[in-house]
Amino acid sequence: GENVEQHPSTLSVQEGDSAVIKCTYSDSASNYFPWYKQELGKRPQLIIDIRSNVGEKKDQRIAVTLNKTAKHFSLHITETQPEDSAVYFCAVGGDDKIIFGKGTRLHILP
Amino acid sequence: DAGVIQSPRHEVTEMGQEVTLRCKPISGHDYLFWYRQTMMRGLELLIYFNNNVPIDDSGMPEDRFSAKMPNASFSTLKIQPSEPRDSAVYFCASSLAGEGYGYTFGSGTRLTVV
Repeated sequence: GENVEQHPSTLSVQEGDSAVIKCTYSDSASNYFPWYKQELGKRPQLIIDIRSNVGEKKDQRIAVTLNKTAKHFSLHITETQPEDSAVYFCAVGGDDKIIFGKGTRLHILP
Repeated sequence: DAGVIQSPRHEVTEMGQEVTLRCKPISGHDYLFWYRQTMMRGLELLIYFNNNVPIDDSGMPEDRFSAKMPNASFSTLKIQPSEPRDSAVYFCASSLAGEGYGYTFGSGTRLTVV
């Protein structure tokens, strides 16, 4: 089955700086790569996703890049703000289900 | 639409008791997923349904866990008997095939087994 590795598990960045979270996966047939944000005590919410026929996608301060050959993809958050503090999960999908990474706890320092 | 609705929000039960978690997916969504979230194991997929039919239950940890989806608007996850290690947050999510698998999660049920 699919195996998703996510790094780092914890990340602290100064407000205004950029944050990068990386994920690798094992199944080359996977074709859908979403990212979810989960605030404390709340549900995971989709923030951005990318399909395997696209190498990069951007939405305001958030971008995702995908390298299908190397089977890794990354989330980039620029100009970080206090409200970006949360746990971020990468996920990988193939046919109909998605498998999640273990999550990255992002702290934005004042 | 009110989104994915789960009940109860919190459940505290004694070891050995039966626990039933409930989920109402978004109307029109044809996939329903049950996940369990713990600090140690993250978000684990337990089981998922397509058009009310269980497709993959390989994530169900033991025979003590069972799930049903009697119709398109309702699913249950049952644990019998419950054990302290079942304590976790259980999320239900639904999606519509062909719309990018964009899951919508419910608010979750926080289960504590004492």
